[in-house]
This record gives sequence, structure tokens and C-alpha cells, in this order.
Amino acid sequence: QSALTQPRSVSGSPGQSVTISCTETSSDVGGYNYVSWYQQHPGKAPKLMIYDVRKRPSGVPDRFSGSKSDNTASLTISGLQPEDEADYYCCSYAGSYTWVFGGGTKLTVL
Amino acid sequence: QITLKESGPTVVKPTETLTLTCTFSGVSLSTSGVGVGWIRQPPGKALEWLAVIYWDDDGHYSPSLKKKVTITKDTSKNQVVLSMTNMDPVDTATYYCVHIELVSAFHIWGQGTMVTVSS
Repeated sequence: QSALTQPRSVSGSPGQSVTISCTETSSDVGGYNYVSWYQQHPGKAPKLMIYDVRKRPSGVPDRFSGSKSDNTASLTISGLQPEDEADYYCCSYAGSYTWVFGGGTKLTVL
Repeated sequence: QITLKESGPTVVKPTETLTLTCTFSGVSLSTSGVGVGWIRQPPGKALEWLAVIYWDDDGHYSPSLKKKVTITKDTSKNQVVLSMTNMDPVDTATYYCVHIELVSAFHIWGQGTMVTVSS
């Protein structure tokens, strides 16, 4: 049972914006600001899209942004493109050098 | 450029011990702050963090798998080894090797290796 809850699916049309939430459901996660987001296309390894809540690795389009309020982190994708269709996972540092992942969200670009 | 590649058996029998090797380049596990870890993903399911080992040989484990998993490193060979005992069909998954610095995020991933547990 994941300590991070994500919606199972979200969808949007090209050009629109979508937001994927990631809610900490366990106090064990501890509210650290080490939240990261990963994009995974079918049959591929996950790719880091956001780290430390809102930082973007080099090469990730600025259409991808992250935020956090209280116990919920969010990934927003603006100007949706067909290639954004993928599974997205949030991850949080849970203290004592352990990490927890969310259950994943399937993004469909209509 | 950091790259990681997993290697090991594709099929193991129930109760056997799985040994996976991660061979990496572009980074040294003797550099302060550097870590290499393992994450798995059962078919059609979510990612699960398993373990990480740091430059100082400090290993850390998922609380739910702590008794089953061991992670070691060979700095001279640029390798990290994951061992999982008493394998069960529920351990069938793609196993990924990942690079991390301190506790921030898993910046670089290997391609993954699929392991099936079946008699």
C-alpha cells in the first residue's frame, strides 16, 4: 500500500493543461521537500521530469512544472503534446534514506 | 554522461536467491554523495524502491524487504550488486538500477532487466 496517492488516470486535449496530484497519506513520509516526478512510456525506463518539488533537469521542457502545498505535490503539464501520453509517478523521500512511490497516473492525450 | 546497465538471470525458481549486477560508467562510487540503488516494477504495476548504497558503503533498504535484500558495491569495478533471497512469483518484475546524489531524486536509470520467478 503506497503512502502516496495519485489519481489512476487523467486526460486532456493537445494544447490544454493537466495537473496530476500526489497526496501523502502516511505521516511516515514526513513532508520532506524531496518530491520527484517520473515519466514512463510503455516498455521504457522511467525518466526524471521534476526533482526537489519544482526543479527541472536539463533537457526537460518548461511545459512541465512542479509544486507542493501542505501534503499534496502536483505536476502540471501545460501545452499538452501527443508525446506527453505516458504513465507518471511521484516519489518522495521518506526519511532515514528510504523512498516511496505513488501508484502512478496514466495520462491520455485525447 | 552517466550510464547504468543491469545484468543477471531472466528466470529464477521459487526459493532461489536472485543476484543482479549494475555496471555503471560516468560516475564513481568513491565520490562523496554518490549513490546507486535499485527499483523494481511488477508487470502493469507501480514502481517500488528497494535499496541504495552510497560512496561511504552505507546501504539502506525498504523496510518491507529489509530481511530479503542485500546491496553491495565494488568500487574498482564500478558495480553494485543486489541480492534477493527466497524469491517468490510476486517478485516477478523489471528491476532497474538508478543513480542518486544524496537524497534528491533518481536522476539516471538503467534500461531495466525483467526477472521472472517460475518453477
